[in-house]
Amino acid sequence: QITLKESGPTLVKPTQTLTLTCTFSGFSLSTSGVGVGWIRQPPGKALEWLALIYWNDDKRYSPSLRSRLTITKDTSKNQVVLTMTNMDPVDTATYYCAHRTSMAHVDYWGQGTLVTVSS
Amino acid sequence: DIQMTQSPSTLSASVGDRVTITCRASQSISSWLAWYQQKPGKAPKLLIYKASSLESGVPSRFSGSGSGTEFTLTISSLQPDDFATYYCQQYNNYPLTFGGGTKVEIK
Repeated sequence: QITLKESGPTLVKPTQTLTLTCTFSGFSLSTSGVGVGWIRQPPGKALEWLALIYWNDDKRYSPSLRSRLTITKDTSKNQVVLTMTNMDPVDTATYYCAHRTSMAHVDYWGQGTLVTVSS
Repeated sequence: DIQMTQSPSTLSASVGDRVTITCRASQSISSWLAWYQQKPGKAPKLLIYKASSLESGVPSRFSGSGSGTEFTLTISSLQPDDFATYYCQQYNNYPLTFGGGTKVEIK
């Protein structure tokens, strides 16, 4: 059974760096084809894909946010970490991590974590 | 980036109605399209992948069709549990992109 869970701060100040951790079970990020990514959703708005990291350390980023994002993995801990620099109130959103296999759809999602950016 | 345009943005329907949601891609994505259902405060749930393949455990009243740039999600007989927001997503190219969503409301 695949599960994912996001953790991190619920409130960050403008200009700070956000660090979110996705802890997963039921699969390994050392298995060929497996990827874990991040997707966010501002309150009342649509979903926005942010970043993905694959078993072979291939990393993909949203072009519009590329300069602010870093995604890393710790295979031994079954964790993926997303950092986003220079946070702004418009980055207030629920952040989801999700499972994907290469060239396939996103199939499993975490429950999401709401991050509010405010001074 | 491939733009995904959903229509309508809001749909009012009654239990038992047949409902169709459209998703258009700004360029061909072959059949690399998924549909998700999202309820308030919950994560999206996968319904359909590869345009027309039904995810395991999803009721058969949900179906998907299309290829290239035009896709549809159909609910054959709307049930009370189906009132939610639906999103399409293309996974043919990076960046992965979502449609703006279609909210299905009770008429």
